[in-house]
Amino acid sequence: GAGVSQSPRYKVAKRGQDVALRCDPISGHVSLFWYQQALGQGPEFLTYFQNEAQLDKSGLPSDRFFAERPEGSVSTLKIQRTQQEDSAVYLCASSLQGGNQPQHFGDGTRLSIL
Amino acid sequence: GNSVTQMEGPVTLSEEAFLTINCTYTATGYPSLFWYVQYPGEGLQLLLKATKADDKGSNKGFEATYRKETTSFHLEKGSVQVSDSAVYFCALTESNFNKFYFGSGTKLNVKP
Repeated sequence: GAGVSQSPRYKVAKRGQDVALRCDPISGHVSLFWYQQALGQGPEFLTYFQNEAQLDKSGLPSDRFFAERPEGSVSTLKIQRTQQEDSAVYLCASSLQGGNQPQHFGDGTRLSIL
Repeated sequence: GNSVTQMEGPVTLSEEAFLTINCTYTATGYPSLFWYVQYPGEGLQLLLKATKADDKGSNKGFEATYRKETTSFHLEKGSVQVSDSAVYFCALTESNFNKFYFGSGTKLNVKP
C-alpha cells in the first residue's frame, strides 16, 4: 500500500524478553519518527531519522531502547529486557523532509508486557 | 519548552451540533500547528494545519485559526456528524526541529 506500514500489529511478551518492532515508511520519505503512546495520552516523541542517520534520540526512555534505519528506508525499534512500563502503542511516522511537513502515521504496534 | 494543552474529554454532542475543542500551546519559537484525528482502530490522520499566525486551516468542514496573541488553535465545526466520532489531537512542531509535540487528545462522541 501507499501508507506507513507497521508490524506486528500486536505483540505480547513476558517481562525480560527482547522485542523488535518494524516500520516501513512511505516510499521516498526521508524522515522517519518513532513515538510512544500510552493509553489515553498523546504520542510522545522517541527518536528521529533523516535517511539512515539518527539525528535525535532524546526521547528514548532508557538504554534498553534502540532504533536503527540502516539503509534509510525500513526502521526497527528494539526494546531489550522489557518491563511492564514499556506497555504502550508504538507509532511510526514518516514525512518527505522533516521540518514542519505533516507526518504520516502507521496504525501502530500495541505492545503488552506481562 | 514546547507543549500543547487540550481540553479534556470526552465531549458528547448530538448530530448537527456546533463543535469547539480548545487547544493552547507554548513554544520557544515560531511553531506550525496541526490537528490530527484518530478514528477507532486506526492510526492518526492529518486533519488540518496552519504554519503562521492568522492562517486558517480547514478540511472536511473543520476549521482552526492560528492565534499568536492567545497562543491558541481551537478546532471548530459548524455541524458534527456521527462519523466525526474520534479522538482529536492538537500538535505543534517548530520549523527548525523535527519532533512533534502532541496534546493528550480529546475524545468526541456524536450521538444520532
